[in-house]
Amino acid sequence: RKEVEQDPGPFNVPEGATVAFNCTYSNSASQSFFWYRQDCRKEPKLLMSVYSSGNEDGRFTAQLNRASQYISLLIRDSKLSDSATYLCVVSFTGGGNKLTFGTGTQLKVEL
Amino acid sequence: GAVVSQHPSWVICKSGTSVKIECRSLDFQATTMFWYRQFPKQSLMLMATSNEGSKATYEQGVEKDKFLINHASLTLSTLTVTSAHPEDSSFYICSASRPEGPEAFFGQGTRLTVV
Repeated sequence: RKEVEQDPGPFNVPEGATVAFNCTYSNSASQSFFWYRQDCRKEPKLLMSVYSSGNEDGRFTAQLNRASQYISLLIRDSKLSDSATYLCVVSFTGGGNKLTFGTGTQLKVEL
Repeated sequence: GAVVSQHPSWVICKSGTSVKIECRSLDFQATTMFWYRQFPKQSLMLMATSNEGSKATYEQGVEKDKFLINHASLTLSTLTVTSAHPEDSSFYICSASRPEGPEAFFGQGTRLTVV
């Protein structure tokens, strides 16, 4: 079983749609959770950290469920510029900030 | 602006030659940096953890004699791909975290093509 699992997609959605991605992780000692965005042939960039209480940043909402060991990302009112690969990333303190990446979920927002 | 700088952005080299990639933290000291490799349509895979002043820690299946890592200062780590072969062609990327938090900052990545 992979340490971090994501549906690779692609998810093709029309502009303005709401779309959600899920991610599951296997290490119950994981303590830090992130969503990164990666554009084609570019480095990943932090989209948002994920907190136990859930957090929102504009059109983006992240949720963490420790009991079920999954993380979600919700994107509302999708824009064409949201087209990218979204990476679920997990780390645990004992790993010295070593990050474990999911394979990424590809999103394509269309007119 | 960027807090981690990686050079070169891309390189094309002949099979059998060696290529050095640099990763610098620009405004903080990084005792630990990470090197990843990403093949097309695949996730980033951790290759090794670079530790300032000591030997790097390699992930299983990564040849330490082929991928030489040097972390001689608190702001610079280098990855040298020795005797490169076409199958080493990939996107190599480094990351570092500030001392105060787990958020990782990535270099711009290096696209290596071995011909």
